[in-house]
Amino acid sequence: QLQLQESGPGLVKPSETLSLTCTVSGGSISSSSYYWGWIRQPPGKGLEWIGSIFYSGSTYYNPSLKSRVTISVDTSKNQFSLNLSSVTAADTAVYYCARHPLSTRPFDYWGQGALVTVSS
Amino acid sequence: DIQMTQSPSSVSASVGDRVTITCRASRGISSWLAWYQQKPGKAPKLLIYAASSLQSGVPSRFSGSGSGTDFTLTISSLQPEDFATYYCQQANIFPRTFGQGTKVEIK
Repeated sequence: QLQLQESGPGLVKPSETLSLTCTVSGGSISSSSYYWGWIRQPPGKGLEWIGSIFYSGSTYYNPSLKSRVTISVDTSKNQFSLNLSSVTAADTAVYYCARHPLSTRPFDYWGQGALVTVSS
Repeated sequence: DIQMTQSPSSVSASVGDRVTITCRASRGISSWLAWYQQKPGKAPKLLIYAASSLQSGVPSRFSGSGSGTDFTLTISSLQPEDFATYYCQQANIFPRTFGQGTKVEIK
């Protein structure tokens, strides 16, 4: 059974960089059939796709966040990571990692989510 | 970007009711639409993909239809465990985009 688990600091100061890691177990992140993505949800609000990465390092980013986002992959650790720079209170959210097939398929496996609060 | 608009934003219903939620895309997405269910404090759960295909393990009371720009999620007989928020998402192109959500509440 595939499992995804987010990890990282729960509190980040304004203007600093938010960093999260997603560890994948029960399957290989190096599969050529899947992308691995990040989605966030501000408290009480809807879902926003942040970006996705293929095991080779190929990425797609949300244009609204592209200037601040970097997603990377470490196949040796079966992990992928999110860095979001210059954060503000508006970046406070639950951050989810998830898997989606290469084709026109949705996110079929999700992590449980990690709440990140931006505050001084 | 493709904008996804759901209606209604909330619906009050009773156990046993038939519930229909609509999702409209700002331009055609063929059948590349998914529906998710989210309960408080939990990650979204995939219900429907490719507009009408039921994800494995999802009860048959859930069904989806539509293509192009207009889509529907139907719950044929609402059960207590179905009270949740439902989101549509287009999977046609990047950036992936979600509807704003529809909360199904107890009447």
